[in-house]
Amino acid sequence: DVKVTQSSRYLVKRTGEKVFLECVQDMDHENMFWYRQDPGLGLRLIYFSYDVKMKEKGDIPEGYSVSREKKERFSLILESASTNQTSMYLCASRNIDREGAQYFGPGTRLLVL
Amino acid sequence: GESVGLHLPTLSVQEGDNSIINCAYSNSASDYFIWYKQESGKGPQFIIDIRSNMDKRQGQRVTVLLNKTVKHLSLQIAATQPGDSAVYFCAENFGGSQGNLIFGKGTKLSVKP
Repeated sequence: DVKVTQSSRYLVKRTGEKVFLECVQDMDHENMFWYRQDPGLGLRLIYFSYDVKMKEKGDIPEGYSVSREKKERFSLILESASTNQTSMYLCASRNIDREGAQYFGPGTRLLVL
Repeated sequence: GESVGLHLPTLSVQEGDNSIINCAYSNSASDYFIWYKQESGKGPQFIIDIRSNMDKRQGQRVTVLLNKTVKHLSLQIAATQPGDSAVYFCAENFGGSQGNLIFGKGTKLSVKP
């Protein structure tokens, strides 16, 4: 079974703090994704990565950056957290041989005060 | 638990009945479709997928139907159980193995014992 893990289930941060969300997958997947999920808005793509060292902006990259130094790990960084970044953050990975199917981690619920 | 979406369409069924959840997708060029299940406070879980060259695919207790003419996807769950209670949403992929998924907003399924 595919396993995608996220470093924290719940986080509470203060406005202006730098926040790191970590995601690790154990299936040697090339592609990895970061989404946020908000009530009424569904899943929105923040950033994605086709392979190590690669990154692409998604639909809502503003206020975020990412890092993919190793194939199994994809980090989402909030440079200066703001209250409107309070959300559920979901990481996903995909094997390019299995076209389209993304497998998700359990999510990180972030509260920015 | 926490709701993953407010004001979602809701389907309420009796335990043991069959459930049908519908989804309208947006892009006629989409070539691959997935249904996900998301339980409260958890990440989306892959249920079943279907490629655009098929109109039906069956899994364990689930069937996905694809009608490309009207851009409609449905998920049928046989003998619905309380553990099936969750938000279900569809996703469409276009752009092949380098494409990204577009997610629907979801339907909340409630199973009455």
